[in-house]
Amino acid sequence: RKEVEQDPGPFNVPEGATVAFNCTYSNSASQSFFWYRQDCRKEPKLLMSVYSSGNEDGRFTAQLNRASQYISLLIRDSKLSDSATYLCVVNWGNTGKLIFGQGTTLQVKP
Amino acid sequence: GAVVSQHPSWVICKSGTSVKIECRSLDFQATTMFWYRQFPKQSLMLMATSNEGSKATYEQGVEKDKFLINHASLTLSTLTVTSAHPEDSSFYICSARGIGTSGGAGSDTQYFGPGTRLTVL
Repeated sequence: RKEVEQDPGPFNVPEGATVAFNCTYSNSASQSFFWYRQDCRKEPKLLMSVYSSGNEDGRFTAQLNRASQYISLLIRDSKLSDSATYLCVVNWGNTGKLIFGQGTTLQVKP
Repeated sequence: GAVVSQHPSWVICKSGTSVKIECRSLDFQATTMFWYRQFPKQSLMLMATSNEGSKATYEQGVEKDKFLINHASLTLSTLTVTSAHPEDSSFYICSARGIGTSGGAGSDTQYFGPGTRLTVL
């Protein structure tokens, strides 16, 4: 089983659509979780942390289910500028090491 | 705040030469720096973790004699790819975690440099 697993996509959606990405992780001792965004040939940028109670930042909502070791990211009202690869990232067993999922590619079309 | 720079942003070299990549934290003290490698269409893979003033800890499968890491100060870490070969061509990205960073993501937040694209001919 991969340490952090994501559906690679690509997800092709029209502007204004709502899209959800899922991620699972295998180390149950992990405590910190993040979603990063990576544009083509650029470094990853932190999009948001994921908290146990779920958290929202504008059009983005992150959820964590510890029992299922499952993380999600919901993007509402997609914009063309949301087109990127979204990386699910886990602080592995709280070691400080970040383990990256392979990323889910989103293409928002006009 | 929390800006990390890398230099050079891209480099092309001949097989057998050594290449040094610098990673700097510009507005905070980086107690820990991480080096990652990303091959095309793959995710970032952690190569090594370095704490200021200590030897780096390498991930399994990463040759410490080939990828030399130095973290001599709280704002600078270097990665030297020794005797580079075409299979070392990749996108090398550093990240830094430390004190004096802002933002609400917590103390385990890593801030990434812009990456260095290495092409070995």
